Order: sequence, then C-alpha cells, then structure tokens
Amino acid sequence: AQSVTQPDIHITVSEGASLELRCNYSYGATPYLFWYVQSPGQGLQLLLKYFSGDTLVQGIKGFEAEFKRSQSSFNLRKPSVHWSDAAEYFCAVGPWSNDYKLSFGAGTTVTVRA
Amino acid sequence: EAGVTQFPSHSVIEKGQTVTLRCDPISGHDNLYWYRRVMGKEIKFLLHFVKESKQDESGMPNNRFLAERTGGTYSTLKVQPAELEDSGVYFCASSQRTGGGNEQYFGPGTRLTVT
Repeated sequence: AQSVTQPDIHITVSEGASLELRCNYSYGATPYLFWYVQSPGQGLQLLLKYFSGDTLVQGIKGFEAEFKRSQSSFNLRKPSVHWSDAAEYFCAVGPWSNDYKLSFGAGTTVTVRA
Repeated sequence: EAGVTQFPSHSVIEKGQTVTLRCDPISGHDNLYWYRRVMGKEIKFLLHFVKESKQDESGMPNNRFLAERTGGTYSTLKVQPAELEDSGVYFCASSQRTGGGNEQYFGPGTRLTVT
C-alpha cells in the first residue's frame, strides 16, 4: 500500500530565508508525485508534479522539488520565502496504474515571520 | 474557466441530522473525486466517479455516506445520520483524464462540524 510521510508538522521561517519541506513516500514501481498548497480560506492548489524525466521539477510561485528515487523522497524547496507563502503544504502520491486515488501526507504548516 | 466549486462552504449540524454536500466539477471533466480531512490528519480518499458511475468507493467510511453523480455532472455527498466523527473538511476534485499522473483540480472544501 502507498503512504506518504511529511516529518515536519510545523515550520517557521523568516521572510527572505530559504525553505525546504520534506516528503518521503512508499509506493509501487513508478510513483507520480505532487505538491499542493492550501492557503487560509482557499482550496488545494497544485504547485508542481513529477511524472518522469528530469528529477528537478519547477513549479509555480518560485517552488521547485527534487525527486530522489534512492531516498524515496520528493522534497520541496524555495530559495527565498515571501510572507504570502504562509500556508499548509501537502505532498501526494499517485495515481498509478489503475489506482486513481491520491494518497496525501499529513501536511506541513509554514509560518513566515517578518 | 471556472474551477471546482463546492457548496456549502461551512455546515454546522447536530448529531443525528442529515447533511448534503454538493460539488460542481470543471466542465468537461469526467472524473470526480471526494476526499476528507479529519482534524489534523491526512487528506483521505473517499470515492471516485467516472461520469455517473462509481469507479472506486473503497474509502467510504460506512453506509451512512451516500454519494451520487446525476447525469455525470455535479455530485452530492449525503451523510445520514451524521455522527461527531464525521466532522472535517470534505474536498471534491475533478480531472480530465484517468490513469497514471492525472492532475486533479480541487475545490475549496466544505467544512462540516457535527455537534
């Protein structure tokens, strides 16, 4: 069965500092990986996705993520955080083969301090 | 293009009452999914429609939950009777394609509180 682990429940970062959110997964042969963000009062928005090819994926809002098969990880990064990046971030895996459902991690809440 | 919409945004009901949540997917999306997030936990899959047919309902908690998708357009999720543990945020998502790597577009969610 697939599973996603986000080890950090809450991260506080200063505006302008770099941010890295960790994600580890357990899945079948070829994972499809996603990062979603939920800002206060908003729905889930897709930041980026990885299907195949280049393991460094660029997304919206200046985010990138790197797929490392050997570590079963898909960490999200941003070089310089803005106050508007304060939100909850979710890593997700799937769908794969005939299994259409996404499996999510528990989420990481990011607080940005001035 | 309008996104996925959900109604209501919030619902507060008493234990034993009935609540119906509605989801309107993006026009032309055959696939519709329901997910739920109980306080502080993972977002968990409930079920998946392809047009009007239930493709996978393995995540439905019990028979107090009934999902329908009339005519393959909007979907409703009814909880009857509601219990305290049903409180959470219910998300709907839709996608154009099925199979590996399809991108699911999420609605803003309905926050359900059962008192």
